[in-house]
Amino acid sequence: AAGVIQSPRHLIKEKRETATLKCYPIPRHDTVYWYQQGPGQDPQFLISFYEKMQSDKGSIPDRFSAQQFSDYHSELNMSSLELGDSALYFCASNGVPKGWTNTEAFFGQGTRLTVV
Amino acid sequence: GEDVEQSLFLSVREGDSSVINCTYTDSSSTYLYWYKQEPGAGLQLLTYIFSNMDMKQDQRLTVLLNKKDKHLSLRIADTQTGDSAIYFCAESMGRDDKIIFGKGTRLHILP
Repeated sequence: AAGVIQSPRHLIKEKRETATLKCYPIPRHDTVYWYQQGPGQDPQFLISFYEKMQSDKGSIPDRFSAQQFSDYHSELNMSSLELGDSALYFCASNGVPKGWTNTEAFFGQGTRLTVV
Repeated sequence: GEDVEQSLFLSVREGDSSVINCTYTDSSSTYLYWYKQEPGAGLQLLTYIFSNMDMKQDQRLTVLLNKKDKHLSLRIADTQTGDSAIYFCAESMGRDDKIIFGKGTRLHILP
């Protein structure tokens, strides 16, 4: 079965550089979430999109921006990278047909960003 | 505010049952989850429970929810070495809402 695809899986950037992480949700899923998990930390919610509109915002730095495109894939853009941005970045997608009560957010395998 | 608390470590002998506990503060949480994360890997949804349920069982996994005390537990029967991982308790308000994670409980299996 198709899962959430994130690319790249690993990324090494230098301080002050920019990075773009991509997320391809499960087909027909309309909601995408981004999480940041620092070393030894729990995942922290960054931002989410529903039907291409930002639906919620968490602890996302101003240096980061994200969007969801017409094909529902999403990109997280990170500028002026800092050493503290080194983390595992997860994307999750969700999509429930109307009338259902079940919910399940599926997570991708994550992109490991290392800032040196 | 939203907060999920869980103990950081648990050691269990192989073959015994593991019980991982979690408390949450927001009574309007509708969905409660257990995720498993193995070293260097992604987040795997193990199971979830709706706030109007008391218990859910799925093979070796049993989830108990005490909504009055805002307490959630995950019982893993016949714990195996492959169960060694970090287990995150998590909550969300609704289908489209963000998921709030606890700090995670590292389960260590003793031979």
